[in-house]
Formats: sequence, C-alpha cells, structure tokens
Amino acid sequence: QQQVRQSPQSLTVWEGETAILNCSYEDSTFNYFPWYQQFPGEGPALLISISSVSDKKEDGRFTIFFNKREKKLSLHITDSQPGDSATYFCAASEAGGADRLTFGKGTQLIIQP
Amino acid sequence: DPKIIQKPKYLVAVTGSEKILICEQYLGHNAMYWYRQSAKKPLEFMFSYSYQKLMDNQTASSRFQPQSSKKNHLDLQITALKPDDSATYFCASSQEQANSDYTFGSGTRLLVI
Repeated sequence: QQQVRQSPQSLTVWEGETAILNCSYEDSTFNYFPWYQQFPGEGPALLISISSVSDKKEDGRFTIFFNKREKKLSLHITDSQPGDSATYFCAASEAGGADRLTFGKGTQLIIQP
Repeated sequence: DPKIIQKPKYLVAVTGSEKILICEQYLGHNAMYWYRQSAKKPLEFMFSYSYQKLMDNQTASSRFQPQSSKKNHLDLQITALKPDDSATYFCASSQEQANSDYTFGSGTRLLVI
C-alpha cells in the first residue's frame, strides 16, 4: 500500500503560469511534510516543508497548502521558470518520532518557455 | 564543494559479487541515512544512523550492511549482488535523528548484470 501518493505523474505548464502539484497520504501519524526537488543526475534537495499545525507555508514562489482533515497537500509554483523543470517529491514523516521519510513517486514538471 | 560525497558515481557489478558504496558528509551532522531509488518506485528508506549507532533498519535482506567507521562516514556494503539490486543509492544526513530536513548526496548508480 502506497502511503504517499502524488499526482499528476507528469505536468507541463507554460513559463509564467502557476504549476500545481498534488500529494495525499494515508498515515494519520504523519505530521511533517517536506517537498524535495530533484534534477537529473543529482540527489533530491529540500525545497520547502510544512508541519501539520499549519495550513499554509510560503517561500518566495513556492507555497504549500495543507488540508489535515482530507490528508491532502499541494505545492504551488507561481511564475514558473524553465529552471523549475525537475521532479518534485512529496514526503512525510512523524517529526520528533520516527525519523525516516516516506516518499511519493514524484511529479515530473516541465516548464515550456 | 559538495557537502556529501558519494563514491563511486557509477558502478557496474556482476551477479553474486560484493560492492561497497562510500558516503562521507562534511556538514557536521549527527544522523546519516541510506535511501534507494529504483525505476518506477518511490525513494525507499533503508537505514538510519545516529552518532554512529544503527537506529532503524527497513531493509529485509542481511545482504545490505551499513558500516560507520567515523562519525561522518556511512558506507553501504552489499553482498551476493542480484540484478534486482540495480538502483541509485542515496546517502543523506540531518543535524539530528529527529530532524527530517535531509541533505542528500548525488547518489551511486548501481547496475548489476
């Protein structure tokens, strides 16, 4: 059973548009949700994260919206740039408890100039 | 300069052989991890170490053995290699075990033939 699900698998948007990446989870004990960005040939890099006590976290062009009741979250990338083209992973953990991250399969984002 | 060094970057091994994947981090972190990324699968947690002690092991096979000779080293020994072991293996670290903000290395891409 996949604990963290991401959709869509692949997403193409035009430069300047807002890209919306979705994530949902099963385990109610998850309370910390980092998003990682991965470029080909590199390791994932932490982009932005949110804890379950918040419903929104913003960092520049990147915003996480979190709905605890529905166990859903989304990453919004505004004013998308070609350099944002990468694979984005949603992950979940029990902050302060088990340290391991459970990852989704990722969304491959392509920004068309 | 890379903060987490993984060696080698690419590795081709024969079925049944043994290999060691090297990981060194220069972030001063106290927790280190191994994750595996296989084709069409999410990043999967394998091991976590804190202050050179094994904290969590989610790898069923004893063919995978982490080795920590120094605080900033966490190598991964894989014995009796199988084609199914083909994957990219990522080393990661965080300040403390309960901190889920990881820094990942660039990975070792292993191909078992």
